[in-house]
Amino acid sequence: QSALTQPASVSGSPGQSITISCIGTSSDVGAYDYVSWYQQHPNKAPKLLIYDVVNRPSGVSTRFSGSKSGNTASLTISDLQAEDEADYYCNSYKKTNTPHVVFGGGTKLTVL
Amino acid sequence: QLHLQESGPGLVKPSETLSLTCTVSGGSISGSGHYWVWIRQPPGKGLEWIGSIYFSGSTHYNPSLKSRLTISASTYSNQFSLKLTSVTAADTAIYSCARGTAFEAFDVWGPGTLATVSS
Repeated sequence: QSALTQPASVSGSPGQSITISCIGTSSDVGAYDYVSWYQQHPNKAPKLLIYDVVNRPSGVSTRFSGSKSGNTASLTISDLQAEDEADYYCNSYKKTNTPHVVFGGGTKLTVL
Repeated sequence: QLHLQESGPGLVKPSETLSLTCTVSGGSISGSGHYWVWIRQPPGKGLEWIGSIYFSGSTHYNPSLKSRLTISASTYSNQFSLKLTSVTAADTAIYSCARGTAFEAFDVWGPGTLATVSS
């Protein structure tokens, strides 16, 4: 069982917007703005989409945006396109006796 | 352009040690202020952070693996390595190296290498 909870799957039609949630706790998502999101196509390495909750690396489409409220982080993809079909993962810094990283279980996005 | 490449044996016997190396090219592991990270993904499953290292030798480990794990770095070779002892079938995964901060924002990844634990 993953430390962060994501829906197993979401779907949307081209042009629509979808949001993927990432539910953590007050020791990780809720405590720090160290949340990232990744896109992974089959048999490919993950690609960083969002870091520090809301920041996009250079070259990432503005259709991808991140946010956070309490212990839940969210990734929104607007103007959905066929190439967005992939797995999406969130991760967060977790402060315990041993600071470390936790990932969500991943969300499969299907573009209908 | 920064490039990371994992290398190591694809097959390891149960109870033995898994050793992997990540070779960094197109940049120095000591010059960028980044951490160097190992992440794994069991076939068909999600991502798991293994640990990270700064070029100075400062490390952070996944608590669930800490007792079996050593991550080291060589600025001379521009490489960093992973050693995981007493492996079991549960350690079978694609192991990837990446660049990032200590705890997130992994922005450059290697292609990954499959390590299978089997007798």
